[in-house]
Amino acid sequence: GAVVSQHPSRVICKSGTSVKIECRSLDFQATTMFWYRQFPKQSLMLMATSNEGSKATYEQGVEKDKFLINHASLTLSTLTVTSAHPEDSSFYICSATGPPNEKLFFGSGTQLSVL
Amino acid sequence: KQEVTQIPAALSVPEGENLVLNCSFTDSAIYNLQWFRQDPGKGLTSLLLIQSSQREQTSGRLNASLDKSSGRSTLYIAASQPGDSATYLCAVSIAGANSKLTFGKGITLSVRP
Repeated sequence: GAVVSQHPSRVICKSGTSVKIECRSLDFQATTMFWYRQFPKQSLMLMATSNEGSKATYEQGVEKDKFLINHASLTLSTLTVTSAHPEDSSFYICSATGPPNEKLFFGSGTQLSVL
Repeated sequence: KQEVTQIPAALSVPEGENLVLNCSFTDSAIYNLQWFRQDPGKGLTSLLLIQSSQREQTSGRLNASLDKSSGRSTLYIAASQPGDSATYLCAVSIAGANSKLTFGKGITLSVRP
């Protein structure tokens, strides 16, 4: 079946640094990708939706200049957390969908810890 | 604004029990509803997807039902096994196959050997 690969699975960084998370669709063209954030014991909250070749659409309350999303190809989307702070520590997970069956597949997630 | 609720937050049962996980949503104008499984620190695995026009879906020991008018869905797990221990998330889509999902907080299930 289709696979979405997300890297890294875990990252620890110092406050003020930037972290890039990659999400790749391995055997289908991901025309749309979604980025979610999940705090402990909370729901997954959608951060943004990106369509290949277009600017991402951010959910209310999500800073687009802090969470940079690039979806330049049909197989890769990246989320960059700029100037990370401890409150950005969370589990980030991507999902992707595309033709032919438009099913939604999730990456394995990235646990970000900002010291 | 769509809200998805899953109660209780945690459940512990002995192996072999049949169990029902509940999910409720506030806006019945949904496109579909999905049940996912999430293992600790891992991504999500889609278990069952029910379109708004459907009443239920089955896969192996799992059966999911949907009552759109009352805003409820249940996930039935037959003959539970320790390997079923995980967090089960319910999510609804309101605008189409590629639209965003609204998730519940999940139910953490522990099946005791």
